[in-house]
Amino acid sequence: SQTIHQWPATLVQPVGSPLSLECTVEGTSNPNLYWYRQAAGRGLQLLFYSVGIGQISSEVPQNLSASRPQDRQFILSSKKLLLSDSGFYLCAWSVVGRGRRTQYFGPGTRLLVL
Amino acid sequence: RKEVEQDPGPFNVPEGATVAFNCTYSNSASQSFFWYRQDCRKEPKLLMSVYSSGNEDGRFTAQLNRASQYISLLIRDSKLSDSATYLCVVNIDTGNQFYFGTGTSLTVIP
Repeated sequence: SQTIHQWPATLVQPVGSPLSLECTVEGTSNPNLYWYRQAAGRGLQLLFYSVGIGQISSEVPQNLSASRPQDRQFILSSKKLLLSDSGFYLCAWSVVGRGRRTQYFGPGTRLLVL
Repeated sequence: RKEVEQDPGPFNVPEGATVAFNCTYSNSASQSFFWYRQDCRKEPKLLMSVYSSGNEDGRFTAQLNRASQYISLLIRDSKLSDSATYLCVVNIDTGNQFYFGTGTSLTVIP
């Protein structure tokens, strides 16, 4: 069965510090991978998605970046965090099966920038 | 116009009640539809896919109306544990992106 891991679960960082969040997927090959952010009480905002190693599509201009160094690894980074970067960061994967693409989420990382 | 729109609620219903949520989508090329459940401070979890002929999973029934471009979720005999936010999600032609509604909040009251 497929599983998705994210770490850390929670993170408190000062403004201006760097960020690195990691996501790994097990039990599937060549998945699409996604990073979403959910601000408190708000909907999901797609930040990046990747259809393969080294392929990143950015949906929202910001001070974040993403990389996919391996098929099942997706990393979200920032060189200097802003207060507005606080939120719940969710990694997700999707594959096509039975004629439809279905998406599954990791447990998320709750980031507080102070 | 948003790709997917939902009534945010909140819906507050007594235990045992039947409650229905609707969701509209704007892109007629949309092909795959889903309902996710998100508990407070947790990740969204797939509740059920929505098929053209409608489908049922225990107390949950999902329906699709392509002509009017909406999907619905019916919960019968509500339980306290059904309290959560329900997200409507659309995928267009197995494409890479998913479009999420902002969610409908449900609280089931004892």
